[in-house]
Amino acid sequence: AQKVTQAQTEISVVEKEDVTLDCVYETRDTTYYLFWYKQPPSGELVFLIRRNSFDEQNEISGRYSWNFQKSTSSFNFTITASQVVDSAVYFCALSEWGSSNTGKLIFGQGTTLQVKP
Amino acid sequence: DTGVSQNPRHKITKRGQNVTFRCDPISEHNRLYWYRQTLGQGPEFLTYFQNEAQLEKSRLLSDRFSAERPKGSFSTLEIQRTEQGDSAMYLCASSSTRGRTGELFFGEGSRLTVL
Repeated sequence: AQKVTQAQTEISVVEKEDVTLDCVYETRDTTYYLFWYKQPPSGELVFLIRRNSFDEQNEISGRYSWNFQKSTSSFNFTITASQVVDSAVYFCALSEWGSSNTGKLIFGQGTTLQVKP
Repeated sequence: DTGVSQNPRHKITKRGQNVTFRCDPISEHNRLYWYRQTLGQGPEFLTYFQNEAQLEKSRLLSDRFSAERPKGSFSTLEIQRTEQGDSAMYLCASSSTRGRTGELFFGEGSRLTVL
């Protein structure tokens, strides 16, 4: 069965601290996609990144970086030098290959990040 | 550039009433999705359209739920005989077949409260 687990329900940090959001997934497929989405207080989810299962290279985009480790079924997200505007709920999601074209994503429960000034 | 638009943003109704939500996707997007999100949980997939064809439905979509996309543009999600368990945020998203797989553009959602 497919499952995404985000064990951290809430994280609170002070501005400029680094923070890592954990994501562990389960799937029987060997081919799949992993995603991170951000949900600010306004409600609309915003796409951050997509990774396919063949590509274990870490990725950096500005203050954001992602660490994909197939051996531990993890896809963790790090924000460096956090800012108040990073406060949001962050969701990790999984899409199996057969579902990738249908937009059927399996989301984790989300991690609420609060960045205090 | 207009994003995904959902109406109404909030709906309060009494148990047993019917409600309808509307979603206007990004104009050039041919794929449209409905998700449901309850408090403290991640979104759950409900259904998917490519153009006007409904190609996949989740088991979560009971017989009381129906979604349409009559001309391949806007979509409606109707819930008949609402129950308190239907209280949730209903999210619409759209994407293009030319875009990155899984990159969905979400609306701000329609929050349903069933009393």
